Amino acid sequence: EVQLVESGGGLVQPGESLRLSCAASGFTFNTYWMSWVRQAPGKGLEWVANINQDGSKKYYVDSVTGRFTISRDNAKTSLYLQMNSLRADDTALYYCARAAWGSSDSWGQGTLVTVSS
Amino acid sequence: DIVMTQSPLSLPVTPGQPASISCRSSQSLVNSDGNTFLNWFQQRPGQSPRRLIYKVSNRDSGVPDRFSGSGSGTDFTLKISRVEAEDVGVYYCMQGTHWPWTFGQGTKVEIK
Repeated sequence: EVQLVESGGGLVQPGESLRLSCAASGFTFNTYWMSWVRQAPGKGLEWVANINQDGSKKYYVDSVTGRFTISRDNAKTSLYLQMNSLRADDTALYYCARAAWGSSDSWGQGTLVTVSS
Repeated sequence: DIVMTQSPLSLPVTPGQPASISCRSSQSLVNSDGNTFLNWFQQRPGQSPRRLIYKVSNRDSGVPDRFSGSGSGTDFTLKISRVEAEDVGVYYCMQGTHWPWTFGQGTKVEIK
């Protein structure tokens, strides 16, 4: 069974940093693209970033480019999202997702990031 | 960015009756390799999204066959042949052909 467990969320002030982690199990991690997707409270879904199997290709939505960095450690079967210069509009539930066929077929439960002074 | 426009945004349905959600993209979703990466997700209250349909019309494992997807180019539809109480939630279309991948606004399905 595919399992994706996010961690690292919390309350931070504007301008601060946070690193999210996602522990993956139940599948061959190093054969899949992986994604981060976020959902602001009461709002819709927004794709944040994708990374390919060996970490050599990364894609970001414009609103986080230059501030967020997606990475992975295949030996630890883990996905990460380093978030710098956080803003109030980054407040959201952040999901880790396994990418397949131009979207994601498995999702974690999410970790909540709140940016507020 | 590709804009995905869903209609309606709210859909009250009677159990046992059919339901249909439309999704239109601002550009063709046909990839250079001929694939069309149009997907449908269901998000039940308090739960993570669940993919129902990928590449326009392919049902994910475990998805009831009352759900079906169709369409081509820029116009797509999700149909529920007979709505059940467990189908309550928000449905999103999503394109994975062009980066950044983008979602529609969501359609809230509720029972009358």
